[in-house]
Amino acid sequence: ETGVTQSPTHLIKTRGQQVTLRCSSQSGHNTVSWYQQALGQGPQFIFQYYREEENGRGNFPPRFSGLQFPNYSSELNVNALELDDSALYLCASSIHLGVATNEKLFFGSGTQLSVL
Amino acid sequence: GQQLNQSPQSMFIQEGEDVSMNCTSSSIFNTWLWYKQDPGEGPVLLIALYKAGELTSNGRLTAQFGITRKDSFLNISASIPSDVGIYFCAGTQGAQKLVFGQGTRLTINP
Repeated sequence: ETGVTQSPTHLIKTRGQQVTLRCSSQSGHNTVSWYQQALGQGPQFIFQYYREEENGRGNFPPRFSGLQFPNYSSELNVNALELDDSALYLCASSIHLGVATNEKLFFGSGTQLSVL
Repeated sequence: GQQLNQSPQSMFIQEGEDVSMNCTSSSIFNTWLWYKQDPGEGPVLLIALYKAGELTSNGRLTAQFGITRKDSFLNISASIPSDVGIYFCAGTQGAQKLVFGQGTRLTINP
């Protein structure tokens, strides 16, 4: 049990639609990171939020955006969905700045997104 | 982008056997981490390595941070059925992100 909860667990969308994925972190965890894991691949870093501000971004287009709220919940929004967006989306939280300070990341179980 | 090359991609072993997998990179990493992912779950940290040459154990697991800071290995001794899963290496370069390998899928025959 990591204390990180993601919803929904599974989601089916069609190409061109928009989707919002949600994550609830442990109380006191100020950093949340989002990763995309395609089938048969390792997770890839999308972006990180620290105290409600974006604090680093991977190689993903602007149609991937996020929000972090004061109650330790966060969202990943993806606009204009493409077929290649089908993947497991993982959020991970930590107390401070996560890997930058060698902290342990706590991963949620992910949301499996299928784009048809 | 940066990549970690993880091998082997899959392993099929008998229960009780020892397992060895490794990870290499063309870039230097400050930290090496090994994760295990079970179906329908997120990755769970097994071992973290912070210094070049460091050798760390966690029960039946042993991992080492290569002296060049470009490689790491993970050994599992006396495998048991619950060791089945996908093992990922990951590295950090002082930024906010983890860079993951492509995973090693471990299957154990009882």
